[in-house]
Amino acid sequence: KQEVTQIPAALSVPEGENLVLNCSFTDSAIYNLQWFRQDPGKGLTSLLLIQSSQREQTSGRLNASLDKSSGRSTLYIAASQPGDSATYLCAVERKGNNDMRFGAGTRLTVKP
Amino acid sequence: DTGVSQNPRHKITKRGQNVTFRCDPISEHNRLYWYRQTLGQGPEFLTYFQNEAQLEKSRLLSDRFSAERPKGSFSTLEIQRTEQGDSAMYLCASSLVMAGYGYTFGSGTRLTVV
Repeated sequence: KQEVTQIPAALSVPEGENLVLNCSFTDSAIYNLQWFRQDPGKGLTSLLLIQSSQREQTSGRLNASLDKSSGRSTLYIAASQPGDSATYLCAVERKGNNDMRFGAGTRLTVKP
Repeated sequence: DTGVSQNPRHKITKRGQNVTFRCDPISEHNRLYWYRQTLGQGPEFLTYFQNEAQLEKSRLLSDRFSAERPKGSFSTLEIQRTEQGDSAMYLCASSLVMAGYGYTFGSGTRLTVV
């Protein structure tokens, strides 16, 4: 069974800081790993998708890395802004399964 | 195409009533997923369809829950005899049958059972 863990559960930083969110998963046989953002009471917005053959993906101030062998992914946010405040969720799609398994998320607060 | 659409956005119902939610996926996507999310937790898988066939159901999907995708397009999720424990955000996502394609989620339906 695929278990996905996200650390830390919550993070508060001042505006402008660079930060790293962590995701770990127990089964390395995955198709892909996807990072999402969720604002309070809203649905999920896809940020980055890393396929199993890839090591990282970048979009603007966001960079996500994947190390399948160690079962880890990181989401790096550069020059954080108050608008980045949200919950960030990591999800993995395991080979042989047909659904994504999610971590509980990291709740990020960026203070002005 | 404007993405995955879910209706209603919010639903308040009395315990014991039946409710139905609708999801319209991205038109070219042939896979459709339902997830449930409670406060402070990540989404939990409920069921998924490939075209009109329901291919997998989670243990979370009790016999009070039923999902359909009659023509391989939109899907409905019905909860019969609602209980307070059913209060949650119900999320729909769609995707293509392609390894590494990823999911696109809708905005969700917030259910409150009073």
